[in-house]
Amino acid sequence: EAGVTQFPSHSVIEKGQTVTLRCDPISGHDNLYWYRRVMGKEIKFLLHFVKESKQDESGMPNNRFLAERTGGTYSTLKVQPAELEDSGVYFCASSQPGTYTDTQYFGPGTRLTVL
Amino acid sequence: GDSVTQMEGPVTLSEEAFLTINCTYTATGYPSLFWYVQYPGEGLQLLLKATKADDKGSNKGFEATYRKETTSFHLEKGSVQVSDSAVYFCALSDNNTDKLIFGTGTRLQVFP
Repeated sequence: EAGVTQFPSHSVIEKGQTVTLRCDPISGHDNLYWYRRVMGKEIKFLLHFVKESKQDESGMPNNRFLAERTGGTYSTLKVQPAELEDSGVYFCASSQPGTYTDTQYFGPGTRLTVL
Repeated sequence: GDSVTQMEGPVTLSEEAFLTINCTYTATGYPSLFWYVQYPGEGLQLLLKATKADDKGSNKGFEATYRKETTSFHLEKGSVQVSDSAVYFCALSDNNTDKLIFGTGTRLQVFP
């Protein structure tokens, strides 16, 4: 069974540009999460999809970030326009719905560098 | 709000030494607790978890016990190997929303 995949693995862009990150969850997982780790700090929650619906987007830092999950399969996270403080590693995770102890399986992350 | 505090690293050990990485938490309700590990160049992997007080999670020689009275979930291993060198993250799950709340991570370096 394939794990969570993310693309690209690295992205280097200039301030003001747009970047789109993609996440493919484990097949059949309805829950999809985005997290990010900035400057070696803690990993912080961004948002949670259940199928194609946004269940919780309380962690989204501002309206420059847009997440979508059309059709309830893969998800994209767009940053437009990117700022220096957006640099970090963006992780995606997925899980099976069920009890509250669902295990979240993480992808390898996308390292974003904004110059 | 809920939070996780873990010891700062790096932790540097010789092979076969005993490892402890401290983790304490603050939470309302009864969260589940996790340790995730990130090996160099790889993504986060679930190492172990515990879902209720006094539960012990274990995997690959690592153990952690859910201590409600001290709000702790310390990670231990009796004899570390060079291959255990990685960044270890303690986390709890918010039972209302399922989101994970992480600590800052502790880098472990094991030398032969």
